Amino acid sequence: DTAVSQTPKYLVTQMGNDKSIKCEQNLGHDTMYWYKQDSKKFLKIMFSYNNKELIINETVPNRFSPKSPDKAHLNLHINSLELGDSAVYFCASSQGSGLDSYNEQFFGPGTRLTVL
Amino acid sequence: GQNIDQPTEMTATEGAIVQINCTYQTSGFNGLFWYQQHAGEAPTFLSYNVLDGLEEKGRFSSFLSRSKGYSYLLLKELQMKDSASYLCGGGRTTDSWGKLQFGAGTQVVVTP
Repeated sequence: DTAVSQTPKYLVTQMGNDKSIKCEQNLGHDTMYWYKQDSKKFLKIMFSYNNKELIINETVPNRFSPKSPDKAHLNLHINSLELGDSAVYFCASSQGSGLDSYNEQFFGPGTRLTVL
Repeated sequence: GQNIDQPTEMTATEGAIVQINCTYQTSGFNGLFWYQQHAGEAPTFLSYNVLDGLEEKGRFSSFLSRSKGYSYLLLKELQMKDSASYLCGGGRTTDSWGKLQFGAGTQVVVTP
């Protein structure tokens, strides 16, 4: 059984287009995340939702808009794609919501986005 | 990564031991994670140290010194499948819950 799944796995598109990436987790976790990993392999947090509520919103262009219809799903919509958006986007999830506590994050397989 | 430093690459032979060091600014850090990431795949959890000392899990051990802002991941009896990037990361008490900052990763190359 896939724990954290993302679709699509590969996404190739033209500059200026709008695209969405979907993520689902079947682990019953309360918290989900979006990360961006660029060509230099830095893994950077973008957003996090806890029980459908936005709790982490890093400094990313407002062309990126996350949406969590329920706690098992977290989608990422990107408007007006730019060349610099090319990267691998990872979804992740973790259990719990306590302050000052950290739990293992389970990552999805990633979506490799290429903007031409 | 922000405030987290680790070497870019390390090479070792099969059966050997490799130690990957990670240093970070101590202010507010709340424990340290290590993740393994094979090329083209997702990061997978290896360890989480919140208290000082060494934690051993089979061939992998992780150490933390909070006062020194220092951690290391020790890989013993290296196998070819250990060739991967190893990410050091942690969270700050001043940040939102669950937010992790990662280093750039250390690429470990295991040679026959």
